[in-house]
Amino acid sequence: DTAVSQTPKYLVTQMGNDKSIKCEQNLGHDTMYWYKQDSKKFLKIMFSYNNKELIINETVPNRFSPKSPDKAHLNLHINSLELGDSAVYFCASSSTSVFDTGELFFGEGSRLTVL
Amino acid sequence: KNQVEQSPQSLIILEGKNCTLQCNYTVSPFSNLRWYKQDTGRGPVSLTIMTFSENTKSNGRYTATLDADTKQSSLHITASQLSDSASYICVVSAGGYNKLIFGAGTRLAVHP
Repeated sequence: DTAVSQTPKYLVTQMGNDKSIKCEQNLGHDTMYWYKQDSKKFLKIMFSYNNKELIINETVPNRFSPKSPDKAHLNLHINSLELGDSAVYFCASSSTSVFDTGELFFGEGSRLTVL
Repeated sequence: KNQVEQSPQSLIILEGKNCTLQCNYTVSPFSNLRWYKQDTGRGPVSLTIMTFSENTKSNGRYTATLDADTKQSSLHITASQLSDSASYICVVSAGGYNKLIFGAGTRLAVHP
């Protein structure tokens, strides 16, 4: 049973297209995140949702729009894709958003390649 | 500027040998330090989490140490196995999940 699952695992698309990545967690956590891992392997937080509400929105282009239909799902929609959007996107979840000493569970990642 | 630097960038060892990975950080304020293992093509998996008052924590063959005074941490892997081949990422929290600072990782290859 996968705790945090994201689809698709691989996504290859042309510049200018719009694409979505879906994420679901079955851990009963209240908080979910989207991270971007660039070519240098650094992970950087993009968004965080707590119980369907946005609580963190780092400096990302507004072409990126997260949507949380319920606390178990956090999808990422990207408009007008650019070459620089190519990266691996990780979904993650935690049981709390306030105290950060708990576990952070990551999905398997979605590798986006923009041609 | 909050930064986490890891060394070495990559490491090759023979199966059964021990190794130590280093992490230096300049993160303030300091909340906790984590080590993650990331297999190729997979998401990071937590190995240890240490707060300011903890200076060592073990998880099986993995032992992490923390020196909050010198702002250094190490991850020691004992009796390495082929399955230990992965990237090991040091993460320091400045307080809050939105303030996790990730290192670039050390890529470890264990050869038979």
